[in-house]
Amino acid sequence: TQLLEQSPQFLSIQEGENLTVYCNSSSVFSSLQWYRQEPGEGPVLLVTVVTGGEVKKLKRLTFQFGDARKDSSLHITAAQPGDTGLYLCAGAETSGSRLTFGEGTQLTVNP
Amino acid sequence: GAGVSQSPSNKVTEKGKDVELRCDPISGHTALYWYRQRLGQGLEFLIYFQGNSAPDKSGLPSDRFSAERTGESVSTLTIQRTQQEDSAVYLCASSLVQGVHEQYFGPGTRLTVT
Repeated sequence: TQLLEQSPQFLSIQEGENLTVYCNSSSVFSSLQWYRQEPGEGPVLLVTVVTGGEVKKLKRLTFQFGDARKDSSLHITAAQPGDTGLYLCAGAETSGSRLTFGEGTQLTVNP
Repeated sequence: GAGVSQSPSNKVTEKGKDVELRCDPISGHTALYWYRQRLGQGLEFLIYFQGNSAPDKSGLPSDRFSAERTGESVSTLTIQRTQQEDSAVYLCASSLVQGVHEQYFGPGTRLTVT
C-alpha cells in the first residue's frame, strides 16, 4: 500500500509570506494531484501532474512533481487569507489504480 | 448545478441504529468513490466503483459497512449498528476517466452517532 506523507501538518503564517508544502512517498506515482478543502465542503482539485520534473503554475501557486515521480511540492507566494484551507495531495500508482490521499496540511493565513 | 450531490447533509443517530447515506455522481462519470474524514484529518478510502467491474471494497473498516451502486448512477453507503467511532464526514467523489482520476467531490454527509 502506498503511503503519502505530507509536511508540515499545520502551518500558520501572516498574509504576504511565502510557504511550501511537501508530499513524499517511497512509491512511484503515475500521476499526483493537489486538492484544497474548505470547512464544510468537499476537496476541490487544484492541479494534476503526470511527468517527472513537471512544474505547473496556478496564479500564486506553483506545483512541482519530483524527477523520480515519488514526491511533490506546493509553493504559495504572497499568501492571502483566502488561501486558508486543508491542502491534500493524492497519488495513483498506475493509471488504473485508485488514489491514495495524504493526511493533509492545514494552512491558516492571518490578515 | 451539475456537481456531485450527497444527502442528507447532516445525520444524527443513536448508537446501534442503521444509517443510509446517498450519493448522486456527475452524470456520465463511470467511477465513484466513498471516503471517510474524521475531524481535522485526511481522507480515508472506503470503497471504489468503476463501471461494471467488481467494486474495490478494501477500505471498508468492518462488515457493518456496505455500499451499492446502481449502474453508473446513485450509490448508497450503509452503516449498520452504528458506533460512536463512526462519527465523521462521509465524502463521495466521482470521476469521468479512470486513468487520470481527477475526482469531483460532493459536500459530504456529517454523521454524528450519540
